[in-house]
Amino acid sequence: AQTVTQSQPEMSVQEAETVTLSCTYDTSESDYYLFWYKQPPSRQMILVIRQEAYKQQNATENRFSVNFQKAAKSFSLKISDSQLGDAAMYFCAIGDSNYQLIWGAGTKLIIKP
Amino acid sequence: DGGITQSPKYLFRKEGQNVTLSCEQNLNHDAMYWYRQDPGQGLRLIYYSQIVNDFQKGDIAEGYSVSREKKESFPLTVTSAQKNPTAFYLCASSIGGHGQETQYFGPGTRLLVL
Repeated sequence: AQTVTQSQPEMSVQEAETVTLSCTYDTSESDYYLFWYKQPPSRQMILVIRQEAYKQQNATENRFSVNFQKAAKSFSLKISDSQLGDAAMYFCAIGDSNYQLIWGAGTKLIIKP
Repeated sequence: DGGITQSPKYLFRKEGQNVTLSCEQNLNHDAMYWYRQDPGQGLRLIYYSQIVNDFQKGDIAEGYSVSREKKESFPLTVTSAQKNPTAFYLCASSIGGHGQETQYFGPGTRLLVL
């Protein structure tokens, strides 16, 4: 069975600095995708970034990038130049050829002005 | 604009009552999902549908029912058999229903028990 672990229930960072959120997973599949979603106070879930497991290159979306270590089954999210609008819950998830995503418990990110 | 709408934003349920949460999408997606979110936990799948007139149970389907009569709509009924329904409910859709696809979410419905 697939599992996703986010070991940091809460993280805080000073505005304009960089923060890394960790995510580890377990799967027996060879072909899968990894996702980071953001849930701001409005509670609408928004895709931040998506990584295909067979791609060596780490995905990047503007200030958001991932460090994907396939052998270690690690998928961390780096947020550069943190902004107040980045404050949210961040969820890591894994999906394969099956029908559903498996979700981590989330990390609450606090931005200090 | 394409997207997913959920209504109502807040819903109150009396003991023994069935209530229905609405989910509509205009993204022309085949697959739709219902998730439950409790404090301090990730999302848990209640039901999903990959095609009209077909749906499958997720991990926590007991006490819930769904229908998929139209591609655009996937309503969720919380029945009186669900003894702890207080939670935040999220509806999502994806193109075809495979785990590799990005899921797009609605704004959610908060269900409270009176």
